[in-house]
Amino acid sequence: GDSVTQMEGPVTLSEEAFLTINCTYTATGYPSLFWYVQYPGEGLQLLLKATKADDKGSNKGFEATYRKETTSFHLEKGSVQVSDSAVYFCALSFRPPGGYQKVTFGTGTKLQVIP
Amino acid sequence: GAGVSQTPSNKVTEKGKYVELRCDPISGHTALYWYRQSLGQGPEFLIYFQGTGAADDSGLPNDRFFAVRPEGSVSTLKIQRTERGDSAVYLCASSLGPGGIQETQYFGPGTRLLVL
Repeated sequence: GDSVTQMEGPVTLSEEAFLTINCTYTATGYPSLFWYVQYPGEGLQLLLKATKADDKGSNKGFEATYRKETTSFHLEKGSVQVSDSAVYFCALSFRPPGGYQKVTFGTGTKLQVIP
Repeated sequence: GAGVSQTPSNKVTEKGKYVELRCDPISGHTALYWYRQSLGQGPEFLIYFQGTGAADDSGLPNDRFFAVRPEGSVSTLKIQRTERGDSAVYLCASSLGPGGIQETQYFGPGTRLLVL
């Protein structure tokens, strides 16, 4: 079945450091790929998405590129801020013919940014 | 506009009791999903509604779990004879439809259930 593997955390970075959180997936068909973020005490929020190969999703300085050849969707940000401290979830969704869009999540990566 | 809302935000109950968790989806969203998120894990699918009907309940862990959506809007997740292992955050999400390639699921803040 479909699955998502992301790097284990926690990831601790100093403010203004470069961030990469790795995500790879296994899926039948051609899924859409997402990054969701969960800030402390809050619900899941969609951060960015990409729906086909070579698409780049971007939002709030974060970027991720849908790489079909490596089945990856790594999250990057050039300069993190303390306010980026949160748990980041990589996810995929796929709708089979006649079916519905089922989302599969990774286990999450906790990011801690220190001043 | 209003997002997905869930009540209560926290629920503490004793082992063996019955609980109901409520979800109000975004107005106009026909698809509704329930997920369970255990500590340190990603959300796991429980059940999907399209309109009033449960189109896929394959994620419900056992027959103590049941969900309804009688009017195609608000949904209630019901757990009978709660066990300590049911403790988790229960998330609800909604989307415009069953999932065209561009559609996204929007999540509520979750209900944190603690079974003592």
